[in-house]
Amino acid sequence: DAGVTQSPTHLIKTRGQQVTLRCSPISGHKSVSWYQQVLGQGPQFIFQYYEKEERGRGNFPDRFSARQFPNYSSELNVNALLLGDSALYLCASSLGPGRPYEQYFGPGTRLTVT
Amino acid sequence: AQTVTQSQPEMSVQEAETVTLSCTYDTSESDYYLFWYKQPPSRQMILVIRQEAYKQQNATENRFSVNFQKAAKSFSLKISDSQLGDAAMYFCAYPGANSKLTFGKGITLSVRP
Repeated sequence: DAGVTQSPTHLIKTRGQQVTLRCSPISGHKSVSWYQQVLGQGPQFIFQYYEKEERGRGNFPDRFSARQFPNYSSELNVNALLLGDSALYLCASSLGPGRPYEQYFGPGTRLTVT
Repeated sequence: AQTVTQSQPEMSVQEAETVTLSCTYDTSESDYYLFWYKQPPSRQMILVIRQEAYKQQNATENRFSVNFQKAAKSFSLKISDSQLGDAAMYFCAYPGANSKLTFGKGITLSVRP
């Protein structure tokens, strides 16, 4: 079975630009979460979506937005990029939003803002 | 809000020996889970082991086991018979409401051949 997939693998953008990152969950998983991982740090929670509805949001500015599609794939959008947005963006999927459900992570998208 | 603290940034272990990675956390909840994740240089984060707070028995998964001290809010990971493939960053994580994971800063484990 295919795991969580993310695209693109790497991305280089300029300050002020906008970026869209994509995630496809494991088949049958209806919950998708996004995390930002700055080099050398632990991942920070950005968003969680379940059944196309936002279920949780971390402490990130409104420049960050996301959505989930009917096939449960998800997009993370970041507007007006700042140098500090450079990070590894991880997507995780799970069967549901409850805490016993294991989250399976994708390989991530490495975003570099210059 | 929950917090997770990993105070050791790096550790090194000789192949075939045992190493213990430390983690402390803070929560006001009485029933919860705790996870250890491994992130190899290839970046894919994988779950190593989980502990349910209501269970007295420490979780074990092959060479990986935990020492869960609920009163002390301590959750350490022991890796026995260390292998070269164990080299990675290890994160302690607390799943909060809606599975939101709160991670520690992580520890880089190197394994010496």
